[in-house]
Amino acid sequence: ETGVTQTPRHLVMGMTNKKSLKCEQHLGHNAMYWYKQSAKKPLELMFVYNFKEQTENNSVPSRFSPECPNSSHLFLHLHTLQPEDSALYLCASSQDFEGGPIGNEQFFGPGTRLTVL
Amino acid sequence: SQKIEQNSEALNIQEGKTATLTCNYTNYSPAYLQWYRQDPGRGPVFLLLIRENEKEKRKERLKVTFDTTLKQSLFHITASQPADSATYLCALPAYGSSNTGKLIFGQGTTLQVKP
Repeated sequence: ETGVTQTPRHLVMGMTNKKSLKCEQHLGHNAMYWYKQSAKKPLELMFVYNFKEQTENNSVPSRFSPECPNSSHLFLHLHTLQPEDSALYLCASSQDFEGGPIGNEQFFGPGTRLTVL
Repeated sequence: SQKIEQNSEALNIQEGKTATLTCNYTNYSPAYLQWYRQDPGRGPVFLLLIRENEKEKRKERLKVTFDTTLKQSLFHITASQPADSATYLCALPAYGSSNTGKLIFGQGTTLQVKP
């Protein structure tokens, strides 16, 4: 596998379910991100991890819980979601922020299309 | 707060013409600006980055300009092809976040190139 992979690609869940989204990057990066993309709205940054440490939580509701066990893997744990949480969830990775040039390009996965019933 | 504006209306052009997309921003001066391409149902793909001290950047048929006085970036695709049809996103670092990876994205402009 190359690049950034995400599983599952599609997920349908009820509001009382608990599920997890998985992201894996094979690029040797140390920074990883979760984004939400809703119809007709811009990409919204949710979380940023740098060297496994969370550096950004963009006021995301606690029903979304990220986990970054190592620099290659990122999870988004979902519980008691609402229908308005239905969206495309994108994972991305980039070079880390320490000592490197600013403006590192981000590499995105294909996304998980989430539908909350 | 920061605001990024891209033309929400789709841009339709004929194959072979130059497509020009606009990204306007307000309320601060970013250290750089990025452009991405997104195809339906897929994640964005990075195209170009231009820094505040650069007026213009080129990559093959792509050209980006960055006017920090007008607070505007223009993205040009010359000799456009139907395969260039996609949504193009501009992105800026969040205020005070030039080296944290925190990007703010515009809503994108959809380009349709007709044969």
